[in-house]
Amino acid sequence: GAGVSQTPSNKVTEKGKYVELRCDPISGHTALYWYRQSLGQGPEFLIYFQGTGAADDSGLPNDRFFAVRPEGSVSTLKIQRTERGDSAVYLCASSFSAYEQYFGPGTRLTVT
Amino acid sequence: DAKTTQPNSMESNEEEPVHLPCNHSTISGTDYIHWYRQLPSQGPEYVIHGLTSNVNNRMASLAIAEDRKSSTLILHRATLRDAAVYYCILRDVGQGAQKLVFGQGTRLTINP
Repeated sequence: GAGVSQTPSNKVTEKGKYVELRCDPISGHTALYWYRQSLGQGPEFLIYFQGTGAADDSGLPNDRFFAVRPEGSVSTLKIQRTERGDSAVYLCASSFSAYEQYFGPGTRLTVT
Repeated sequence: DAKTTQPNSMESNEEEPVHLPCNHSTISGTDYIHWYRQLPSQGPEYVIHGLTSNVNNRMASLAIAEDRKSSTLILHRATLRDAAVYYCILRDVGQGAQKLVFGQGTRLTINP
């Protein structure tokens, strides 16, 4: 079946601009996660949704970052006033159990 | 989540077994041991998880020490496709700890 998909695969934006990154989870998965990965590092947790609500947003670095999942399926990660330090690969994962998370290929964000 | 310690890198030959170690001396009684791997330019991929007993699946085996302070991921017959960064992660799923906390992982190189 279809896995987790993320769009766009690459995004280049200028410092100060607003960006939206989209995640389509596996159908039926109620849990959805966002992580980001800087070069040479392991993924870093950002936020976790159970259904439509954010159950844990402790990883969001500051109030420029926001995520939504209005219908409990697709999620959008929104970054305002982007900074060069936001450049990273943004990964989305979904799960139906507490054990396995299924990751998408990621969106590579470059802020120039 | 408790911390894990893994070697930065390991190297093995194709068609030979690979033993990837992980130390987790501060593991609690309800922490599950999870392994994920990340192939180049891809999102992480679930490999295996366990609590106390050794576990086997189609991808690998997980050997857990009797005191649970260490574990070993075993790839029985490595292929070139197994070259990846392998992450050992502890997760207390019983307390609803849904996020994965990644460390640096072990970069596995497979020689043809």
